[in-house]
Amino acid sequence: GNSVTQMEGPVTLSEEAFLTINCTYTATGYPSLFWYVQYPGEGLQLLLKATKADDKGSNKGFEATYRKETTSFHLEKGSVQVSDSAVYFCALKPTGNQFYFGTGTSLTVIP
Amino acid sequence: DAMVIQNPRYQVTQFGKPVTLSCSQTLNHNVMYWYQQKSSQAPKLLFHYYDKDFNNEADTPDNFQSRRPNTSFCFLDIRSPGLGDAAMYLCATSTFRETQYFGPGTRLLVL
Repeated sequence: GNSVTQMEGPVTLSEEAFLTINCTYTATGYPSLFWYVQYPGEGLQLLLKATKADDKGSNKGFEATYRKETTSFHLEKGSVQVSDSAVYFCALKPTGNQFYFGTGTSLTVIP
Repeated sequence: DAMVIQNPRYQVTQFGKPVTLSCSQTLNHNVMYWYQQKSSQAPKLLFHYYDKDFNNEADTPDNFQSRRPNTSFCFLDIRSPGLGDAAMYLCATSTFRETQYFGPGTRLLVL
């Protein structure tokens, strides 16, 4: 079946620290992979995506590489800011219309 | 800007009193989704439309219904809200096999 396993939170980092949030998946076929971010009281916003193996998605200093051999799509950022504090969701979309979300990882960045 | 709009942002209803949440989109996407999100959890898919084809998730309670009168609008009807239905309700859209775009959500409070 299709599922996403995401690193447990919450994660607390100091400003300018390096961030990694792990995400692994199981899927049939060749899914697209996504990271979404949710700020308090708001909907989910697309952060980045990758649609095939070895693709790297990037946006606002965040990066994630689609690794088919390890079925992973880990989110990284070299230097986090207080404004990055949010909940991050990894998601996959196999063929068809349905998306599968991880449980979310809460990130707090302290000055 | 093209977007997904949800109204209202906050909705208060009484136990057992029917309530309708609305979603509209200017993206002209053929797929629309309704998710329920409870605090600190991943969004849970309730149902989605692919054009006019309705797809209900197996574990979506019968209390939840949906209507999609045209491409732009989709409604979530909760026939008899219970206390357990208090949550954030997220509408999203996508084209087939492409990125999902979310609205800001409607937070439902049941008294």
